[in-house]
Amino acid sequence: DTEVTQTPKHLVMGMTNKKSLKCEQHMGHRAMYWYKQKAKKPPELMFVYSYEKLSINESVPSRFSPECPNSSLLNLHLHALQPEDSALYLCASSRPFVENTGELFFGEGSRLTVL
Amino acid sequence: GDSVTQMEGPVTLSEEAFLTINCTYTATGYPSLFWYVQYPGEGLQLLLKATKADDKGSNKGFEATYRKETTSFHLEKGSVQVSDSAVYFCALTSGSRLTFGEGTQLTVNP
Repeated sequence: DTEVTQTPKHLVMGMTNKKSLKCEQHMGHRAMYWYKQKAKKPPELMFVYSYEKLSINESVPSRFSPECPNSSLLNLHLHALQPEDSALYLCASSRPFVENTGELFFGEGSRLTVL
Repeated sequence: GDSVTQMEGPVTLSEEAFLTINCTYTATGYPSLFWYVQYPGEGLQLLLKATKADDKGSNKGFEATYRKETTSFHLEKGSVQVSDSAVYFCALTSGSRLTFGEGTQLTVNP
């Protein structure tokens, strides 16, 4: 069983909807990540939070809005998405960068379909 | 920039066959190297890692050795099982980022 929990597992939304993806971890990790994965491709980094502060934004469109309310939770707010945003969205966590050798713990993902 | 190149897939093997998935990298400095596995319908899991040259990572019968002279980190398993069917990603640390290869789809038939 994964120790990073993502909800919902599946989401279908229209281009005018507003929805959110949620991620929770209880491993005491202070770095959390959002990745986007298209079919048959590797994950692409979107955002990184370190100690609840946004440290990396990989030039992601503003229709994706991340939020880290506390050290255990990570949200991704979605608004006015396009059909090409349909993908598997993966959350991950890790020890802080200075201690981390690159081992990330991934959730099972939220599969998003934009109609 | 740093990059990872994996052998092209997909790879199809019979049960108990020997597996090799090639991975080479380009990096400045001394990255840590990883193999992640993604089973159908799931997220990625760390399979094994190596943090310095000549280190061997191993887990679940899989092995990979960090070869600095050939900039390689090839994944091997002596006898694959149907349950090993998955996508395998080679990766390296690049600052605070994890850089992935394109992935190799492995299918093991009974």
